[in-house]
Amino acid sequence: DSGVTQTPKHLITATGQRVTLRCSPRSGDLSVYWYQQSLDQGLQFLIQYYNGEERAKGNILERFSAQQFPDLHSELNLSSLELGDSALYFCASSAAGVENSPLHFGNGTRLTVT
Amino acid sequence: ILNVEQSPQSLHVQEGDSTNFTCSFPSSNFYALHWYRWETAKSPEALFVMTLNGDEKKKGRISATLNTKEGYSYLYIKGSQPEDSATYLCASNSGGYQKVTFGTGTKLQVIP
Repeated sequence: DSGVTQTPKHLITATGQRVTLRCSPRSGDLSVYWYQQSLDQGLQFLIQYYNGEERAKGNILERFSAQQFPDLHSELNLSSLELGDSALYFCASSAAGVENSPLHFGNGTRLTVT
Repeated sequence: ILNVEQSPQSLHVQEGDSTNFTCSFPSSNFYALHWYRWETAKSPEALFVMTLNGDEKKKGRISATLNTKEGYSYLYIKGSQPEDSATYLCASNSGGYQKVTFGTGTKLQVIP
C-alpha cells in the first residue's frame, strides 16, 4: 500500500459530461502529480502541484483542470468528455524535490467514456 | 534526445539469466533519474532515485547506473526470477524541475 488514495476506482460516463477525480497523497507529502495512461500508451504527465500551488504543466487539455486544496488532497476535473479521454488516470505524491524523493502512486481511476 | 526513451520495448529471458535495459534522457537541465517497477494490475513502485553522474544503486539482485553527461541509465537484473516479470519504467525531470516524464517502459517476462 503506497498510502496514496484515489477515488473512484472506476467511472463510466457519457460524452459531453464532466467528472471529478480525487486524490489523497501520502501523509506528509506536499507534491501531487497527475498522469494519464491511454490504451497502449505510457504515462503522460498532466500537471503537478506543490503545497497548493501549480508547479509544472504537461500536455494537459484545456478541458481538464486541477487543483490542490489546503489539506493537500487534489482533484482533477475533466469536462466536455470525449471518447478519447477514456484512460487510466494516476495520481502520485512525493515528499520533497524530485532529486530526493520517488513518486508514490495510487491505484488509479479508470475512466470509460461511452 | 528530447524525450525519455527506453529499450528494448519487451524482453523474454529464461529464469536464472541476467539482463539489462537502457533508458536515454535529455542530459541538459538534468536533476534526477528514477526507476520504477510496474506489475500487472498494480501501480508503479519506486526502485531507485539517482542524481549524480556515476551513481550506482543496488537493491537485492537489481542495480542501476547513471551517466548524466551522455544521458543514459542502465538497469541490471542478476539471475532473473519469474517474480521479476513486470514493466520497468524510467523517468527524468529534464524537461523541468518538477515535470517528471516517463519512458514507455521495458516489459520483462521471465520464463520458468
